[in-house]
Amino acid sequence: ETGVTQTPRHLVMGMTNKKSLKCEQHLGHNAMYWYKQSAKKPLELMFVYSLEERVENNSVPSRFSPECPNSSHLFLHLHTLQPEDSALYLCASSPGAGGGFEQYFGPGTRLTVT
Amino acid sequence: GENVEQHPSTLSVQEGDSAVIKCTYSDSASNYFPWYKQELGKRPQLIIDIRSNVGEKKDQRIAVTLNKTAKHFSLHITETQPEDSAVYFCAASPPDGNQFYFGTGTSLTVIP
Repeated sequence: ETGVTQTPRHLVMGMTNKKSLKCEQHLGHNAMYWYKQSAKKPLELMFVYSLEERVENNSVPSRFSPECPNSSHLFLHLHTLQPEDSALYLCASSPGAGGGFEQYFGPGTRLTVT
Repeated sequence: GENVEQHPSTLSVQEGDSAVIKCTYSDSASNYFPWYKQELGKRPQLIIDIRSNVGEKKDQRIAVTLNKTAKHFSLHITETQPEDSAVYFCAASPPDGNQFYFGTGTSLTVIP
């Protein structure tokens, strides 16, 4: 167990639904990340939070809305998604933000948009 | 921004043979290069990393080499075992931001 948990593990939602993904880290880290993993594509970094402050937003559509209420919890709020948003969404944490820190990944949420 | 290319996309080797996976990067400022292993249905996990002030790093059967001039780095796995079968991702990270740029992954199969 790496100390990063994600819920739910699987999610099927329609394009008009609103849902949220949850990530929790028990490692005492200061930075948390959301990644999108699609087949045959590189891992795409979506958002970075350092000490609850968003430090990176990589041109992600507004239908994805992150929230970081404290350094242990990270949410990804989803609304009016498209079928191409179906992917594995991975949360990660690291001791600090910025390059040079190992990323500890959660198990991911497999999202299917119908 | 940084662009990381990874080759090959798939690799099959006989058990006991060596496997080499190569990555190139475009941003000469990148200074941290981790390698992650992702087994089927599991999360990516760091297996080895190298920083730009080092040319080679080894940990038992795995090693990473970095050529800053050519902007490429490679993962070497010796004496491969079936449990090495997984997808391997390289990444590059510049020092002045919060970005990680990943390669597209290499699916390694070790044939018993």
